[in-house]
Amino acid sequence: NAGVTQTPKFRVLKTGQSMTLLCAQDMNHEYMYWYRQDPGMGLRLIHYSVGEGTTAKGEVPDGYNVSRLKKQNFLLGLESAAPSQTSVYFCASSWTRQLSGNTIYFGEGSWLTVV
Amino acid sequence: GENVEQHPSTLSVQEGDSAVIKCTYSDSASNYFPWYKQELGKGPQLIIDIRSNVGEKKDQRIAVTLNKTAKHFSLHITETQPEDSAVYFCAASPITGGGNKLTFGTGTQLKVEL
Repeated sequence: NAGVTQTPKFRVLKTGQSMTLLCAQDMNHEYMYWYRQDPGMGLRLIHYSVGEGTTAKGEVPDGYNVSRLKKQNFLLGLESAAPSQTSVYFCASSWTRQLSGNTIYFGEGSWLTVV
Repeated sequence: GENVEQHPSTLSVQEGDSAVIKCTYSDSASNYFPWYKQELGKGPQLIIDIRSNVGEKKDQRIAVTLNKTAKHFSLHITETQPEDSAVYFCAASPITGGGNKLTFGTGTQLKVEL
């Protein structure tokens, strides 16, 4: 069972470069999320999607864009990377609330360093 | 918005002892409280959760208690084992439309010593 898969796992970017993190889930979940994790700050929601073709801002959306063209994929883009975006990024997914509650499944993480 | 505080930030116990991690939340609309365990280099994994209509929930060595009046909830791990060593996160969210917008605590590094 693959669950939630993120690529790439590690990446080093130069300031100003762009990149896209890809998330894929094989559980037919409606909801998908992108979080970032920084030391001492827990996990913070960047953007989320409640279904194919929809996106919404989370707690820390500035500097990021997302797209959900297919139900199973959720892409996170950095248009012009900044050192402040050095972090570990986690993708997650969940069923709609009506089906089976709020259990959120996380991917393994993507380590991004901006120099 | 919701604010979740978690204590302690680090916790060291002897194998076989109990461990308790406490969280407080600010938004009275929150009614779903999960706990996640994160091992080194891995993503967080749900270990137990509780909804506001329940005061306590237990799953083998793990239990969670909720006091809605005081807005706090706690994770209790009994008979700790070395494999319990990890970072634990509490979270809170309202069960309303628009996505499961969990607000996480800052995490507790639990170390179980032999």
